[in-house]
Amino acid sequence: GAVVSQHPSWVICKSGTSVKIECRSLDFQATTMFWYRQFPKQSLMLMATSNEGSKATYEQGVEKDKFLINHASLTLSTLTVTSAHPEDSSFYICSAPTGTSGRGEQYFGPGTRLTVT
Amino acid sequence: QKEVEQDPGPLSVPEGAIVSLNCTYSNSAFQYFMWYRQYSRKGPELLMYTYSSGNKEDGRFTAQVDKSSKYISLFIRDSKPSDSATYLCAMSARGNNRLAFGKGNQVVVIP
Repeated sequence: GAVVSQHPSWVICKSGTSVKIECRSLDFQATTMFWYRQFPKQSLMLMATSNEGSKATYEQGVEKDKFLINHASLTLSTLTVTSAHPEDSSFYICSAPTGTSGRGEQYFGPGTRLTVT
Repeated sequence: QKEVEQDPGPLSVPEGAIVSLNCTYSNSAFQYFMWYRQYSRKGPELLMYTYSSGNKEDGRFTAQVDKSSKYISLFIRDSKPSDSATYLCAMSARGNNRLAFGKGNQVVVIP
């Protein structure tokens, strides 16, 4: 199947600093990517839809100024957690569909574990 | 009513048994169906992708879709301890890549 990578896989940062997480589709192009966060033993929670060439669409309750998303190219989306706080500690996962308009498989990255101290 | 219902209750089976998982959905616009396996602290891994009613088989895995009943299933034959994970159903509608998920089923295969 197609491959989606994330970098870093694990990051520890101090409270008040910013952290950037990269999501790449390695063998296909994705005009749309999705960012999720997941707490232990809970379901994936969609945070935002990343759109290549336009602004991201955020889910209700997600602070767009705190979670900055940039879809720089057809294979790269980045999520920057600004002024991170301990409550931002979570598992962040991206996904990318291989097709458009709902058709086609959707692949997930391996996730990034963020710990804010 | 949630768009996708998946009984999240943990499921324990002996090694070699058949694991049966299912999801129901209410939105008739859903046309594309996926099953994912997620190990602890890992991203979900795509197991099966289907878009038509009927069965699709891949090795020990069979995905079944019944659009008239809005019901999908995943069967795992000859289960192994390495199949112990959380299984998520997901689906999308034509024209929208956004996935709707079930809550996930934690499966434990006992050696």
